[in-house]
Amino acid sequence: GQQVMQIPQYQHVQEGEDFTTYCNSSTTLSNIQWYKQRPGGHPVFLIQLVKSGEVKKQKRLTFQFGEAKKNSSLHITATQTTDVGTYFCAGITGTASKLTFGTGTRLQVTL
Amino acid sequence: DTAVSQTPKYLVTQMGNDKSIKCEQNLGHDTMYWYKQDSKKFLKIMFSYNNKELIINETVPNRFSPKSPDKAHLNLHINSLELGDSAVYFCASSQAAGAAYEQYFGPGTRLTVT
Repeated sequence: GQQVMQIPQYQHVQEGEDFTTYCNSSTTLSNIQWYKQRPGGHPVFLIQLVKSGEVKKQKRLTFQFGEAKKNSSLHITATQTTDVGTYFCAGITGTASKLTFGTGTRLQVTL
Repeated sequence: DTAVSQTPKYLVTQMGNDKSIKCEQNLGHDTMYWYKQDSKKFLKIMFSYNNKELIINETVPNRFSPKSPDKAHLNLHINSLELGDSAVYFCASSQAAGAAYEQYFGPGTRLTVT
């Protein structure tokens, strides 16, 4: 079945440093979504990417969808303590009606 | 008003018991889901309903039985609970079926089986 892996599994940064998480799928994706889950919270939708090579920005967050539509990345510039949480990518294959969530990257930010 | 709500928030029970989790959404969405998040934070879909009809039924033990009395509600009943069922169960909803719609998650139900 489809597998979606994320690296790193965990990253600890100092506030102000940049952070990137990478998402890799075993199959070509039609869309990819990103979610953030704060500690003790629930996943919250951040963005969806659809087109090959697409880049979208939300303030300090930059999302990219690979040219082959098998990978994606989320980059956070100048992290803040409010960025703490686990970031999940979630891929959709073809006309599948379900999301396959990645393994997640836990981000810890300290002052 | 909470968009997607779940009850109970915490559930502690013994092996062999039967328990239910309830979910309600007030977003007017057509599609609802149950996810299981294990201790390693892996998030896996279990079931999905679209307008009360089951459309996704992943490889889940048949001790788990979802029910959707109407499109705003989705319940999950679990029979003969096992230790491995301990996890956080999230309900979610989306505007329509098809994974291209963003999903709204409930706060989760933390199930502990002892």
